[in-house]
Amino acid sequence: GAGVSQSPSNKVTEKGKDVELRCDPISGHTALYWYRQSLGQGLEFLIYFQGNSAPDKSGLPSDRFSAERTGGSVSTLTIQRTQQEDSAVYLCASSPAQGADTEAFFGQGTRLTVV
Amino acid sequence: AQSVTQLGSHVSVSEGALVLLRCNYSSSVPPYLFWYVQYPNQGLQLLLKYTSAATLVKGINGFEAEFKKSETSFHLTKPSAHMRDAAEYFCAVSPLQGAQKLVFGQGTRLTINP
Repeated sequence: GAGVSQSPSNKVTEKGKDVELRCDPISGHTALYWYRQSLGQGLEFLIYFQGNSAPDKSGLPSDRFSAERTGGSVSTLTIQRTQQEDSAVYLCASSPAQGADTEAFFGQGTRLTVV
Repeated sequence: AQSVTQLGSHVSVSEGALVLLRCNYSSSVPPYLFWYVQYPNQGLQLLLKYTSAATLVKGINGFEAEFKKSETSFHLTKPSAHMRDAAEYFCAVSPLQGAQKLVFGQGTRLTINP
């Protein structure tokens, strides 16, 4: 596709369940980011992947959160034992290079609701 | 640590009026600065960015922003608002080195009155 694709667009899950959120970046983009957008915290950086380098996980809020990127392309964000405070929109972005001045292209997000 | 403050969570202007959305940053050195727009039920779209070239940056849809180091500001302006400009606008900073780990402001919701 032409842009960053995220699935599902909406997810409702029960407290305590695990969820997986998927991101398909723009083809050829080496950098991939996950952000979280919530009412209380605004937009927060979660994790960053660049090529085959070890990911920068400095933004993950707890050890219930993890992410992987297979083959340098698709990424999955996993939240284990979901809590109500995990309810948010999870945004994925990709960029063609690592540089801090390059444009990041965002997907439409996955809206997660934990009930 | 870097931070961004957007003054005014909600701004309302009339169609055709000047749009001014304020952003101040806190950083030990001038960072890279960005403005993103988010239309309802859509992802973020880059409006413009400052990367230490010209201090007056022109972006898409008629928006521009001026980097003022002395004021640590990067306010977004548009001379004449259109109804289609109604959206949420986010100012963000990124460190000069390494990955683009954006630090966002809280956002400003822009409403355009007919």
